[in-house]
Amino acid sequence: KAGVTQTPRYLIKTRGQQVTLSCSPISGHRSVSWYQQTPGQGLQFLFEYFSETQRNKGNFPGRFSGRQFSNSRSEMNVSTLELGDSALYLCASSLPAPYGYTFGSGTRLTVV
Amino acid sequence: DAKTTQPNSMESNEEEPVHLPCNHSTISGTDYIHWYRQLPSQGPEYVIHGLTSNVNNRMASLAIAEDRKSSTLILHRATLRDAAVYYCILLPGDQFYFGTGTSLTVIP
Repeated sequence: KAGVTQTPRYLIKTRGQQVTLSCSPISGHRSVSWYQQTPGQGLQFLFEYFSETQRNKGNFPGRFSGRQFSNSRSEMNVSTLELGDSALYLCASSLPAPYGYTFGSGTRLTVV
Repeated sequence: DAKTTQPNSMESNEEEPVHLPCNHSTISGTDYIHWYRQLPSQGPEYVIHGLTSNVNNRMASLAIAEDRKSSTLILHRATLRDAAVYYCILLPGDQFYFGTGTSLTVIP
């Protein structure tokens, strides 16, 4: 079956711009979670969506937002980009716990 | 913060067994122990999970302590392709919090 698809794979943006990243989960998975990973850091949880509602949120500023559509596809948006937002952004889809996650390959965002 | 603690890094010689430890002293009775690994420039991938009994699959084995406060991921014969960061996570109790994992270096 198809895995989790993230688009685009790579992105270069200028400081102050905004960006939208997309994640298509595995069919039947209603939970989508997003993570930021900077060099040498573990995965930092951004937020989780379930049935179009944000169910959990990590400790990130309001510039980071997301949404989920009725087909479970999810987008995350970062406004007013800062250099420190350069990172690998990963999304994962899952069935209800205790089932685990299936991750996408990520979007590599570079802010210049 | 993550409920699990792992060593930051470990080394192993190629073709030797590797034992990656994870401590989870505050695990609850309903938490499953999951392991993931992340190869360079890729998203994490599922390795194995268990509740109480030891588990085996084609990738690895999971040994769970009798009191469930620790577990060990066992790679039976390390290969260069096993060089990755390994994460131990409790689900559902610690969902979304992967910590920094153990970076495994495999020496040829």
